[in-house]
Amino acid sequence: SAVISQKPSRDICQRGTSLTIQCQVDSQVTMMFWYRQQPGQSLTLIATANQGSEATYESGFVIDKFPISRPNLTFSTLTVSNMSPEDSSIYLCSVPGRSISYNEQFFGPGTRLTVL
Amino acid sequence: RKEVEQDPGPFNVPEGATVAFNCTYSNSASQSFFWYRQDCRKEPKLLMSVYSSGNEDGRFTAQLNRASQYISLLIRDSKLSDSATYLCVAPWDWGKLQFGAGTQVVVTP
Repeated sequence: SAVISQKPSRDICQRGTSLTIQCQVDSQVTMMFWYRQQPGQSLTLIATANQGSEATYESGFVIDKFPISRPNLTFSTLTVSNMSPEDSSIYLCSVPGRSISYNEQFFGPGTRLTVL
Repeated sequence: RKEVEQDPGPFNVPEGATVAFNCTYSNSASQSFFWYRQDCRKEPKLLMSVYSSGNEDGRFTAQLNRASQYISLLIRDSKLSDSATYLCVAPWDWGKLQFGAGTQVVVTP
């Protein structure tokens, strides 16, 4: 499996501000995914980050709120904009494993965000 | 998007015992399924993949029942270190994973 790192590991932010989360992978991957895990809940896919094109967002998530960059095949950022307490969650990036199915995914350690 | 449902538990299991729990899915088109393990305040880690009728890896056995649309996970000879939340996952599109809410397992001495 790939080695995935995320920065920051945690942060406490004031409402109305923005936070950019970085995800770094130790190998080149075509697709990267961003998930959110709200307190006590399971993971929900936010968007798919494609290198060289716009991210693809899932229902309920919009680019203005969660802009994503994917400048190369090993790196992506997710910004949580104009934060409110409802954005308090763990944000995780994931990448596919070497399986051809692309459905065996491996997750970064997550960024624990608390919005006051 | 289709749902994946799990019994949240907790399943309290004496050390050395066997525990099994199910996950139901509603997307009949799903071809592969996964069990992930998530420890408290950690990221999910892939435990097992299930592509056909089942898969066995040491003390862990996953079975797939397509007719009834459920996947099961069985843990034999439970260890204290097996205490975790087990997440059932069904892909609903290429590369996109639908997670269940998780089943909590607590192995007690």
